[in-house]
Amino acid sequence: DGGITQSPKYLFRKEGQNVTLSCEQNLNHDAMYWYRQDPGQGLRLIYYSQIVNDFQKGDIAEGYSVSREKKESFPLTVTSAQKNPTAFYLCASNNVAGATDTQYFGPGTRLTVL
Amino acid sequence: SQQGEEDPQALSIQEGENATMNCSYKTSINNLQWYRQNSGRGLVHLILIRSNEREKHSGRLRVTLDTSKKSSSLLITASRAADTASYFCATVFASNTGKLIFGQGTTLQVKP
Repeated sequence: DGGITQSPKYLFRKEGQNVTLSCEQNLNHDAMYWYRQDPGQGLRLIYYSQIVNDFQKGDIAEGYSVSREKKESFPLTVTSAQKNPTAFYLCASNNVAGATDTQYFGPGTRLTVL
Repeated sequence: SQQGEEDPQALSIQEGENATMNCSYKTSINNLQWYRQNSGRGLVHLILIRSNEREKHSGRLRVTLDTSKKSSSLLITASRAADTASYFCATVFASNTGKLIFGQGTTLQVKP
């Protein structure tokens, strides 16, 4: 059953904590992306990776970090430096780096700061 | 910064009616895509139209693209209650980094 999975579905963080959101895909896609969505808003790009061991900042990278050690995995860490982390986080992937292919999205993780 | 601006922000119609959503963008694009998002879920790709295309159909969906006006529209014909969702346009720049730039979306409610 191919697809892109995110875990956990819901995540609660205390102020000052770092948390890591998981994103895994078995679609053999080269590129992976992390987006943030706030209520009633579109998606904003946090980080993206077009190849293993390489990634680039998106529009709102401050307070976030990523790694891409394996092709199928692209975890996102929300650090304590991110002052307003409560949001819905979406991971996506697509077929070829830099191509115009559509992106395939995971189901999302809703992060809430307590 | 967000490339696409969508209009209207919210739309409420009766089942069976047509729904039209519009998207405008600012710079030259390689292609424009439409996605659907059910509440609290991930996005699902609906249709892609390339910059050299003017119209595209997929089932009850019709997408048009006017590159001279830098705008696109998504028409859903004979709407159903199950079409209730948010719809987003996303553009890929002509310079093509592979990144999508999303609009803020149109929330569609279809009343049974």
